[in-house]
Amino acid sequence: AQSVTQPDIHITVSEGASLELRCNYSYGATPYLFWYVQSPGQGLQLLLKYFSGDTLVQGIKGFEAEFKRSQSSFNLRKPSVHWSDAAEYFCAVGTIAGNKLTFGGGTRVLVKP
Amino acid sequence: DAGVIQSPRHEVTEMGQEVTLRCKPISGHNSLFWYRQTMMRGLELLIYFNNNVPIDDSGMPEDRFSAKMPNASFSTLKIQPSEPRDSAVYFCASSFGQGGQPQHFGDGTRLSIL
Repeated sequence: AQSVTQPDIHITVSEGASLELRCNYSYGATPYLFWYVQSPGQGLQLLLKYFSGDTLVQGIKGFEAEFKRSQSSFNLRKPSVHWSDAAEYFCAVGTIAGNKLTFGGGTRVLVKP
Repeated sequence: DAGVIQSPRHEVTEMGQEVTLRCKPISGHNSLFWYRQTMMRGLELLIYFNNNVPIDDSGMPEDRFSAKMPNASFSTLKIQPSEPRDSAVYFCASSFGQGGQPQHFGDGTRLSIL
């Protein structure tokens, strides 16, 4: 069975600074990988996804993520955060066997002015 | 385009009452998922359907919880009788196709059982 670990529960970053959120997965074959963002009082919104091909994936809102098979990681990055990026971020893994996704525990991002 | 629609957005009721949460998936999507989110346990998958058929209900907490999908455009999650520990945000999500497709989430129902 697959699993996802997000080692950081909380991250605080200053507005304008760069952001990197860590995600490690466990799965025996090539995974499908996703990052979602959840703003307060809302559902999860898809930021980006990786299926195959280029290991650097661009998403919405200026986010990107890099798939590193050797490290079983799919870290999310943004060069310069905005106050509106304060939210909770979830990494998820899916498989070709079905539509079920396994989510990590989430990382809550706080943005300081 | 309309996304996943959940109703009600908020529900407050007393313990012992029956609670019914509703979900309309995105048109054309063939998989539907019910999740529960709490501070303590995070995001938990309760059940998911594929082509209106329940595929995996191993996350349903106990017999008080039941879910149905009578057609491709509607699903319900019912709790009877409700208990204070059922208080959570319940999300519905849908996806299209087979194998590793992204899920699209509704805005959730915030349920409070007094």
